[in-house]
Amino acid sequence: DAKTTQPNSMESNEEEPVHLPCNHSTISGTDYIHWYRQLPSQGPEYVIHGLTSNVNNRMASLAIAEDRKSSTLILHRATLRDAAVYYCILRGVSSGSARQLTFGSGTQLTVLP
Amino acid sequence: KAGVTQTPRYLIKTRGQQVTLSCSPISGHRSVSWYQQTPGQGLQFLFEYFSETQRNKGNFPGRFSGRQFSNSRSEMNVSTLELGDSALYLCASMTGGFREETQYFGPGTRLLVL
Repeated sequence: DAKTTQPNSMESNEEEPVHLPCNHSTISGTDYIHWYRQLPSQGPEYVIHGLTSNVNNRMASLAIAEDRKSSTLILHRATLRDAAVYYCILRGVSSGSARQLTFGSGTQLTVLP
Repeated sequence: KAGVTQTPRYLIKTRGQQVTLSCSPISGHRSVSWYQQTPGQGLQFLFEYFSETQRNKGNFPGRFSGRQFSNSRSEMNVSTLELGDSALYLCASMTGGFREETQYFGPGTRLLVL
């Protein structure tokens, strides 16, 4: 499976937007880009996913580069509750693709009051 | 709908013992995956069960095993515990229908091996 690269850590001020980048230069045409986050002392939770077009949901937005080699998770107004490790994960749909989630080290987001 | 539940939440064992952890998936979900999380190795996939059959397996020794029951509940067992097995064990469920499907995680069982 193709790999992703994320910064180890980022900081944001409360109520400001946060842009979390992810590079995936070896992404294949059928790989979906998924984002999960893990709050302290909890299991990971799904945030958003997309294939080619930008996506929005109640939690966040996902902006995907035209060449799909990178993507950005956007939290429009960070709250203290958004402090977590954010994982960018590629998921393929072909018969040879892994079904499991392959987690990297993620980005530790710190939200400052 | 109730989320994924895992029991027990905390467990302390000694080296050489065995342990069984339990996971109840979201109602209607037929796939259950298990992951191990440690500070050194991060989140690593153990195995996935779907309709009572192991469908996928990670790179862990045979001391780690699992099973799934007809009601989709799953258990994982670790025999002959080692200090390095101390970890957060997470279970995730999904309907199991397609590869890129969202997984829903439980809160985990924190195992400490002394």
